[in-house]
Amino acid sequence: AQSVSQHNHHVILSEAASLELGCNYSYGGTVNLFWYVQYPGQHLQLLLKYFSGDPLVKGIKGFEAEFIKSKFSFNLRKPSVQWSDTAEYFCAVKRGGADGLTFGKGTHLIIQP
Amino acid sequence: DAGVIQSPRHEVTEMGQEVTLRCKPISGHNSLFWYRQTMMRGLELLIYFNNNVPIDDSGMPEDRFSAKMPNASFSTLKIQPSEPRDSAVYFCASKGSSNQPQHFGDGTRLSIL
Repeated sequence: AQSVSQHNHHVILSEAASLELGCNYSYGGTVNLFWYVQYPGQHLQLLLKYFSGDPLVKGIKGFEAEFIKSKFSFNLRKPSVQWSDTAEYFCAVKRGGADGLTFGKGTHLIIQP
Repeated sequence: DAGVIQSPRHEVTEMGQEVTLRCKPISGHNSLFWYRQTMMRGLELLIYFNNNVPIDDSGMPEDRFSAKMPNASFSTLKIQPSEPRDSAVYFCASKGSSNQPQHFGDGTRLSIL
């Protein structure tokens, strides 16, 4: 069965630190990849997505992610985090031909001022 | 633009009662998804519809769960009878064509006492 692994369940950083959240998936075929963010008490919002083309994807709020096919990875990065980035971050995978998303367990990011 | 609308936002009821969660997808979207979010299991896809037709309900946990989509603008997720372990946040999401991301509603926080 397809799975999505997010290696860090909790990450605590200081403002202005650089961020990298890991995401690996197990499916070997064509995939679409997503990062969603969930601020406290809110719904999931799309940060960025990869369907095809340039494997380095830029999203909203200064986030980017790099698809490395050989490593089955889609890590999320931000060069300098802000206190307002405190949230839960979910990596998700959609297999080609299927519509539903498989989510990772999420990473709870806390930014200390 | 109106996003995905879910109701109620919060539901607290006693075990054994019937619970009905409602979702109105974004107008023009032809795919609708129901997800459940818990601390233990993260976000899980329960069922999804394409053009009002259930496509994959393999994530529905038990026969106590049922979902319907009588028309393109409305879907329900019903639990009968409800149990304490059904307590979770239930998200509805919709999307348009296959290369579009899913848009999530605010969720229904369900507590079964």
